[in-house]
Amino acid sequence: SAVISQKPSRDICQRGTSLTIQCQVDSQVTMMFWYRQQPGQSLTLIATANQGSEATYESGFVIDKFPISRPNLTFSTLTVSNMSPEDSSIYLCSVVVRESNEKLFFGSGTQLSVL
Amino acid sequence: GDSVTQMEGPVTLSEEAFLTINCTYTATGYPSLFWYVQYPGEGLQLLLKATKADDKGSNKGFEATYRKETTSFHLEKGSVQVSDSAVYFCALETGGFKTIFGAGTRLFVKA
Repeated sequence: SAVISQKPSRDICQRGTSLTIQCQVDSQVTMMFWYRQQPGQSLTLIATANQGSEATYESGFVIDKFPISRPNLTFSTLTVSNMSPEDSSIYLCSVVVRESNEKLFFGSGTQLSVL
Repeated sequence: GDSVTQMEGPVTLSEEAFLTINCTYTATGYPSLFWYVQYPGEGLQLLLKATKADDKGSNKGFEATYRKETTSFHLEKGSVQVSDSAVYFCALETGGFKTIFGAGTRLFVKA
C-alpha cells in the first residue's frame, strides 16, 4: 500500500490568484496522476506527472493553467493558475506503487473554493 | 471514446437490505474494471476489480462480475450495513493506468 500526503487539504482563494498543491508518497511509485472532481461530478484526469520531464495533459487541460512538477519518484506538485470560481473542485493525487503495479492509490484530496 | 455510466443516486436502503448499483461501460479493446469507494471525509480506495470477461471481483461482502456480452459490471451486496454508507465509483482502465470514472452513486444505509 501507499500513504499519500496531500497538502493543503482545503483552501479558499481569491479570483486571479494561484495555488500550488503538493503530493508526497511514502513509497517508490511508477506513475503519478492528478485528477479533478468538480462538485457533484466524477473524477476527470488532468495529467500524468512524469519524473524529470513535462507532464502529459489530457484533452481540455493545458500546462499554462495547470503546471505540474515531479522532481523525483515520490513528490509532485500541481498549480492551479489564475483561478476563477469554475476551478472550485477537489483535486486528487493518485499513484501506482512500484511494489503493487496493479492498482491506483489516492490521496485524500484538496478541496479548493475560489471566490 | 471510452466511458462509464452508473446509476444515479442517492440510493437509500435499510440495514440488511440487498444492494445493486448498476454500471455499464463503453470501451475499445479489453478494459479492466473497478469499483472504488469514498467514505465520508476520506480518499478514494479500491473496493474490487476484474481484469477479464467473467471474472468476479469481491471484497468486504461486495461483488461484481465482468460481463462482456452486456458490457456491465454491477456492484452487489447481500446485506448492507450502516458503515457501507459512502459514494461508489465504477471505473475502467484501458491501459497505462489511465482510469475513467463513472459519476458516482451515493449510498445511504439507515439503521
